[in-house]
Amino acid sequence: GQQVMQIPQYQHVQEGEDFTTYCNSSTTLSNIQWYKQRPGGHPVFLIQLVKSGEVKKQKRLTFQFGEAKKNSSLHITATQTTDVGTYFCASLYNQGGKLIFGQGTELSVKP
Amino acid sequence: GAVVSQHPSRVICKSGTSVKIECRSLDFQATTMFWYRQFPKQSLMLMATSNEGSKATYEQGVEKDKFLINHASLTLSTLTVTSAHPEDSSFYICSARGPEPSGGALTFFGPGTRLTVL
Repeated sequence: GQQVMQIPQYQHVQEGEDFTTYCNSSTTLSNIQWYKQRPGGHPVFLIQLVKSGEVKKQKRLTFQFGEAKKNSSLHITATQTTDVGTYFCASLYNQGGKLIFGQGTELSVKP
Repeated sequence: GAVVSQHPSRVICKSGTSVKIECRSLDFQATTMFWYRQFPKQSLMLMATSNEGSKATYEQGVEKDKFLINHASLTLSTLTVTSAHPEDSSFYICSARGPEPSGGALTFFGPGTRLTVL
């Protein structure tokens, strides 16, 4: 079935450093979504990418969808302590709303 | 945007008892809801798709008789963990597909229910 692999599992950075998490699939994805989950919280939607090679920015966050639609990345520039949490990629399995999640990358930021 | 609520937010129960978790779409109708389970430091694993008016569709490896799902109305789905054991302790999260994009999102998550089985 459809699977999304995400790396790294953990990333510890100093405040101000950049951070990137990557998602890969062996099959072509129709879309990729990114979520952030704070400790003790639930996933919060960040963005959805659907087009080949698409790049979207949200302030210090940059999201990319690969040309082959098999990989995606989330890059945070100049991390802040408020960026702490686990970032998940997810792909919509079908139009019915079933999401398949990557393993997540837990980001910790040292002030 | 669309809001999904869950109740209770936390529950502690004794081994062998059953626990019911409710998931409600507050301002929209959801013909389909999804139940996920998340163990500490792990990802969200889809357990089942809850369909209003019909039987739930379970993912491979999820016991239908242990995790009973009832989608009785267009705004309510319930997950009952029957004969709970300590290994069922987890964070259970529901989601629903909204009627239209809100902030770009189509899938809305409930706040989750943390189940602890003693």
